[in-house]
Amino acid sequence: GQSLEQPSEVTAVEGAIVQINCTYQTSGFYGLSWYQQHDGGAPTFLSYNALDGLEETGRFSSFLSRSDSYGYLLLQELQMKDSASYFCAVRDRNSGNTPLVFGKGTRLSVIA
Amino acid sequence: EAQVTQNPRYLITVTGKKLTVTCSQNMNHEYMSWYRQDPGLGLRQIYYSMNVEVTDKGDVPEGYKVSRKEKRNFPLILESPSPNQTSLYFCASRPQGAPGYTFGSGTRLTVV
Repeated sequence: GQSLEQPSEVTAVEGAIVQINCTYQTSGFYGLSWYQQHDGGAPTFLSYNALDGLEETGRFSSFLSRSDSYGYLLLQELQMKDSASYFCAVRDRNSGNTPLVFGKGTRLSVIA
Repeated sequence: EAQVTQNPRYLITVTGKKLTVTCSQNMNHEYMSWYRQDPGLGLRQIYYSMNVEVTDKGDVPEGYKVSRKEKRNFPLILESPSPNQTSLYFCASRPQGAPGYTFGSGTRLTVV
């Protein structure tokens, strides 16, 4: 089975940088994904890391360290519209299929 | 427009009355999945499908059924709904070889 841990809430100031951490335990790691969900909306895919290192997509970056079973999502130049919940998720290769297991989410509040 | 369409968006029903939540995607995706989202518990997978006629249980399959007779459709069936199935349900799909799921807009189900 898999388990993921991420902080339940984070608050940051508009224009600042925030990092949302995710640690995972899985029997066979395949990749770490990040999703964003605004209140009342559907989750939307942000990024995916299969290999160690940093992936950058505009203001958002995602990092993975497979040896530490750890990853993070970095949001730069925070805007009010970034207030949302952020979920990390893993795929477990050893299960023989590719279901996606989500963490419980981090609620980010961006304040002025 | 490429999308995952769920119906209905909102449903209030009574205990024991069979219901079906439909999900359809127009992107020719192989993988489809159903999740339920509950406060404090995040997104939990109910069932998933890797292709037509290939389905498997996720983490919380009890009380649910699915079918995948066509590639585009993946209905979720509650044979005898109970109040503990009151939740927000999401259908999602992704193509083989790509990491990111596209989610539908969600179905908010209340069982009284």
